[in-house]
Amino acid sequence: EVQLLESGGGLVQPGGSLRLSCVVSGFTFNNYAMSWVRQAPGKGLEWVSIISNGGGSIYYGNSVKGRFTISRDNSENTLYLQMKSLRAEDTAVYYCAKAHSGTYSHLDYWGQGTLVTVSS
Amino acid sequence: DIQMTQSPSSLSASIGDRVTITCRASQGISNYLAWFQQKPGKVPKSLIYAASSLQSGVPSKFSGSGSGTDFTLTISSLQPEDFATYYCQQYKSYPFTFGPGTKVDLK
Repeated sequence: EVQLLESGGGLVQPGGSLRLSCVVSGFTFNNYAMSWVRQAPGKGLEWVSIISNGGGSIYYGNSVKGRFTISRDNSENTLYLQMKSLRAEDTAVYYCAKAHSGTYSHLDYWGQGTLVTVSS
Repeated sequence: DIQMTQSPSSLSASIGDRVTITCRASQGISNYLAWFQQKPGKVPKSLIYAASSLQSGVPSKFSGSGSGTDFTLTISSLQPEDFATYYCQQYKSYPFTFGPGTKVDLK
């Protein structure tokens, strides 16, 4: 069974940093691209970032480019999202999601999400 | 960036109704289009990929069509478990983008 479990969310002040983790199981992690998607309270889905299976290809959404860094540790089956210079508008549930194959494929499995709240 | 729009933004329907949701891309995306279902407080669920391919385990009452800029998601006979918000997403060009969603509720 495919499982994705995010952690690391919480309350952080504007300008602060946070690192999210997503531990996966049930599939061969290093064969698939992985992505982060977020959802602000009461709002729609926003694509954040994607990383290829080997980490060599990375893309970001415009609203997080230069502030967020996606990475992965294939030996630990873990995906990361390092978030810096956080703003109130980054408040959202952050989902990690598995790509069906490479970086130009749909997202077929999603984690339960972790809530990030940026507030003073 | 490719902008995705959906219509309607919300709709009210009855059990057994046939429901169609439209998604439009601001430029051609071939068939790089996915549909997701999200129920309140729940995780988005993949329904359709490559515009018309059914994700494994998704019932055949869901179907997708389209190519280029115009796409549709159809639910052939609406059931109580289908009341949710539906999102389209393009994965042809970065940054990937979602539509704003269509909320389907009970008439």
